[in-house]
Amino acid sequence: GQNIDQPTEMTATEGAIVQINCTYQTSGFNGLFWYQQHAGEAPTFLSYNVLDGLEEKGRFSSFLSRSKGYSYLLLKELQMKDSASYLCAVREAGFQKLVFGTGTRLLVSP
Amino acid sequence: ETGVTQTPRHLVMGMTNKKSLKCEQHLGHNAMYWYKQSAKKPLELMFVYSLEERVENNSVPSRFSPECPNSSHLFLHLHTLQPEDSALYLCASSQERGGTDTQYFGPGTRLTVL
Repeated sequence: GQNIDQPTEMTATEGAIVQINCTYQTSGFNGLFWYQQHAGEAPTFLSYNVLDGLEEKGRFSSFLSRSKGYSYLLLKELQMKDSASYLCAVREAGFQKLVFGTGTRLLVSP
Repeated sequence: ETGVTQTPRHLVMGMTNKKSLKCEQHLGHNAMYWYKQSAKKPLELMFVYSLEERVENNSVPSRFSPECPNSSHLFLHLHTLQPEDSALYLCASSQERGGTDTQYFGPGTRLTVL
């Protein structure tokens, strides 16, 4: 079956570093995506991993271990505007189907 | 307009009404998607169109009827909905076999069924 797990909610302080974990069990694997979604807005693409390792993009980095079915999104130098939900999604092999987790709501406080 | 647009942004309808949601993508993509997002649930894929042909239908009730007249436009026709259909309906598009095939989302239509 398909299962993607991520924490429901996390809190952090402005300027700090936070790591949001995602574990997955899917039928086939063809890449993992992270999206950011502010309340009432569209999910926006953050990162993509298909090979093991770390992908860095400014303040955001994403890591993947395919053998462990595990990924994390690392946010550095947190800003208030980073308060949002972060969605982990796995693309199954074959077609374009993305399977999403329930999302992690991140609250950044001053 | 840029990216993916959706109209209306908000919709309130009765169970006997018929309405349509519209999505338009300005990215030159060849695949379009409808998702449903309910509170505390993952995004649920409803329909996928690739090159204007429906390639995925995730056991969606027949009261939801998609239409893709061309690669830039996607509709979701609604009729005799139930209150549990109230949710945020998101449209997305991607370029198949175009690198990472990343899906780009529209802002969504917030649907309330009374």
